[in-house]
Amino acid sequence: NAGVTQTPKFQVLKTGQSMTLQCAQDMNHNSMYWYRQDPGMGLRLIYYSASEGTTDKGEVPNGYNVSRLNKREFSLRLESAAPSQTSVYFCASRWTVVSYEQYFGPGTRLTVT
Amino acid sequence: AQTVTQSQPEMSVQEAETVTLSCTYDTSENNYYLFWYKQPPSRQMILVIRQEAYKQQNATENRFSVNFQKAAKSFSLKISDSQLGDTAMYFCAFIDGNQFYFGTGTSLTVIP
Repeated sequence: NAGVTQTPKFQVLKTGQSMTLQCAQDMNHNSMYWYRQDPGMGLRLIYYSASEGTTDKGEVPNGYNVSRLNKREFSLRLESAAPSQTSVYFCASRWTVVSYEQYFGPGTRLTVT
Repeated sequence: AQTVTQSQPEMSVQEAETVTLSCTYDTSENNYYLFWYKQPPSRQMILVIRQEAYKQQNATENRFSVNFQKAAKSFSLKISDSQLGDTAMYFCAFIDGNQFYFGTGTSLTVIP
């Protein structure tokens, strides 16, 4: 039982390049989330998927797209990376019926130069 | 808009002493859940404790307890018998519906 996994753990991009951050959970959770963490800002929600087949914008969605590929996987895509997207990205999941807490992946540190 | 405020960016405590981290929040909802998460230098987010807003009794998990004041929209975390392993960032968060809202965090250092 791996919990929530994210790949890659570290990535360096040049401005304008694209990439996809992968997230998978093996806990049969309904909801999945993408956050970014910046110094002094806490965690800010980028996108979330309340259930398979649905996605919704969070607080800071601009410059990102997401795909809920199936119940297990939720990817985050940067189409044209900008230095302002340098951050640590966390994926999280939760089971919406009984357990309200989120379970987090280990994070991806992304640097855009 | 939902907001979470942690007014103490940094705190320190002597080993074995008690420390309280503050959190206030704003919501128009009546049913919601509150959490404290710990983030050690490893970066992993770890759930410390949770509180259901409909419960009047304060949650306790070993050395961690909360003081939940619903009318005041306050949710503080008390750490008793502080240990070196408690050194971390602590985030207050709440959920109503599907979205979580996080505070900006308090960096806690336990001094030997």
